[in-house]
Amino acid sequence: GAVVSQHPSRVICKSGTSVKIECRSLDFQATTMFWYRQFPKQSLMLMATSNEGSKATYEQGVEKDKFLINHASLTLSTLTVTSAHPEDSSFYICSARLAPYNEQFFGPGTRLTVL
Amino acid sequence: AQSVTQPDIHITVSEGASLELRCNYSYGATPYLFWYVQSPGQGLQLLLKYFSGDTLVQGIKGFEAEFKRSQSSFNLRKPSVHWSDAAEYFCAVGAIDSGNTPLVFGKGTRLSVIA
Repeated sequence: GAVVSQHPSRVICKSGTSVKIECRSLDFQATTMFWYRQFPKQSLMLMATSNEGSKATYEQGVEKDKFLINHASLTLSTLTVTSAHPEDSSFYICSARLAPYNEQFFGPGTRLTVL
Repeated sequence: AQSVTQPDIHITVSEGASLELRCNYSYGATPYLFWYVQSPGQGLQLLLKYFSGDTLVQGIKGFEAEFKRSQSSFNLRKPSVHWSDAAEYFCAVGAIDSGNTPLVFGKGTRLSVIA
């Protein structure tokens, strides 16, 4: 099946710094990728839809200036958490959509801890 | 409104017993339906999906699910559970189109397996 990778898998940073998370579709091209956030023992919360070559579409309540998304190529989307604070600590998961069906393949997730 | 309901937050079964995880959906059009499994600290793995055709679909790891349009359900089953099946299970629904509509996830069902 299609494979999606995320890097890093785990990151610890100081409050106020920025962290970039990469999401790559390894064996297929993805014009659309999705970024989710997951709190412990909860379901996935969609943060934004990332479209190659255009601006991301953010869900209500998600600060676009804080969570910068760039989808510069058909195999790479990045999420940058700017000026991170402890409340941004979470598990971030990306997925890549395999056209033409609305089937999504998920990355392994990135555990962000902000001290 | 699109929604997915997984009525059971937590289920405990004995190893070797049968399993059924419930999923009901509300969707305005013909849906694509998915079941994903998530182990602790990991991303989501696709177990199976329904697009069209035979309403009983087979997935990986011995899982199957049956689409019942009249009941708006897509329950996941396994005849004999293994201890390694302990995980979080998510049901999801998506649109049958080639657009950027994200999947809608249920809140998940946590499966515990006892000896």
